[in-house]
Amino acid sequence: DAKTTQPPSMDCAEGRAANLPCNHSTISGNEYVYWYRQIHSQGPQYIIHGLKNNETNEMASLIITEDRKSSTLILPHATLRDTAVYYCIVRAIAEYGNKLVFGAGTILRVKS
Amino acid sequence: GAVVSQHPSWVICKSGTSVKIECRSLDFQATTMFWYRQFPKQSLMLMATSNEGSKATYEQGVEKDKFLINHASLTLSTLTVTSAHPEDSSFYICSGGSSYNSPLHFGNGTRLTVT
Repeated sequence: DAKTTQPPSMDCAEGRAANLPCNHSTISGNEYVYWYRQIHSQGPQYIIHGLKNNETNEMASLIITEDRKSSTLILPHATLRDTAVYYCIVRAIAEYGNKLVFGAGTILRVKS
Repeated sequence: GAVVSQHPSWVICKSGTSVKIECRSLDFQATTMFWYRQFPKQSLMLMATSNEGSKATYEQGVEKDKFLINHASLTLSTLTVTSAHPEDSSFYICSGGSSYNSPLHFGNGTRLTVT
């Protein structure tokens, strides 16, 4: 699976949009971009994933550049409960049971 | 969405004993489940891939005789830490997905403390 690069930490004011970047310059054509987050002492929570089109769900939006070498996760109105470690992962879905390989992630601190 | 239930959420055991952790998919069937371990202030590290009806696949450096994995049904995978030692103290997390192209969902983890 392709390696991803994320900033180690970011701060965001409560109520503002949080934009979390991720670089995945070696991504392959069959690899999706996944975002998960982990709140302290809990299992990771799935947020969103995409291949090449921008995606939006009730939690967040995912913007993928046209060349697919980077993406941005957007939390439109961050709250204190969004404070967590956010992981950007690329994963091929060519066969059943493909694993997720976690990097270091970005610690997002939402401040009041 | 898919729900993965993990039990127990925490366990304390004495050195030399064995501990079993259960991972259940509540609303989907999982041919494959994954077991991770996480030490404090570190990211998740994949330990093994659990395959229903066949042997688990272990990542390099993970002792298969120490971390026994059983995936006897499409909704249950278990991880047994045998002859536990203090260095096995960690946060163990399982995950699974309903199909090959669906997101993986994670249990809430098991905090193991070996005294």
